[in-house]
Amino acid sequence: DQQVKQNSPSLSVQEGRISILNCDYTNSMFDYFLWYKKYPAEGPTFLISISSIKDKNEDGRFTVFLNKSAKHLSLHIVPSQPGDSAVYFCAASVNTGNQFYFGTGTSLTVIP
Amino acid sequence: DADVTQTPRNRITKTGKRIMLECSQTKGHDRMYWYRQDPGLGLRLIYYSFDVKDINKGEISDGYSVSRQAQAKFSLSLESAIPNQTALYFCATSDPGDGEKLFFGSGTQLSVL
Repeated sequence: DQQVKQNSPSLSVQEGRISILNCDYTNSMFDYFLWYKKYPAEGPTFLISISSIKDKNEDGRFTVFLNKSAKHLSLHIVPSQPGDSAVYFCAASVNTGNQFYFGTGTSLTVIP
Repeated sequence: DADVTQTPRNRITKTGKRIMLECSQTKGHDRMYWYRQDPGLGLRLIYYSFDVKDINKGEISDGYSVSRQAQAKFSLSLESAIPNQTALYFCATSDPGDGEKLFFGSGTQLSVL
């Protein structure tokens, strides 16, 4: 059973606008969350993380929001750029350092 | 040179064959992982190792085995490949002192006919 879900397989956004990628999880024990970006023919690369003691973490154009009561996190990219076009995976773990559970990914296309 | 190197990049094999996928890293990390990616299923953990003497099963270890030959080397074996093991396989490393980020190789696309 999928413990981390990304219900939108794809998303298209105009360059300069905001991209919002969503992720839901079912295991209330998850306390560490990460987002990865993947280009074709490459492995995923780390983008941003958040621990359950926070509700927001920001790094440049990327912000991750965590709503523990809703078991939901989102990644905001502002402003979106064509180079952001990739597949984005969210991942979660219990007690950092243990097994990570990944979502199914959302393919983002930023239209110039 | 890549920090996490997987060989081969692509492999086609037949049902019943034994196959080994290899992973080496220059990051000096103790922790290494094998994941597979299937369309619509995301990445799922097969095995992980926190040091040379430590091997742990992940979500989907059946049909696979691993060997941690050294801190830098972690190989994945399919003893008798079957078609539903056709997938994109990723090796990854992590360091507890680096926020538990996973560093991935470029992947091995395996096709079992």
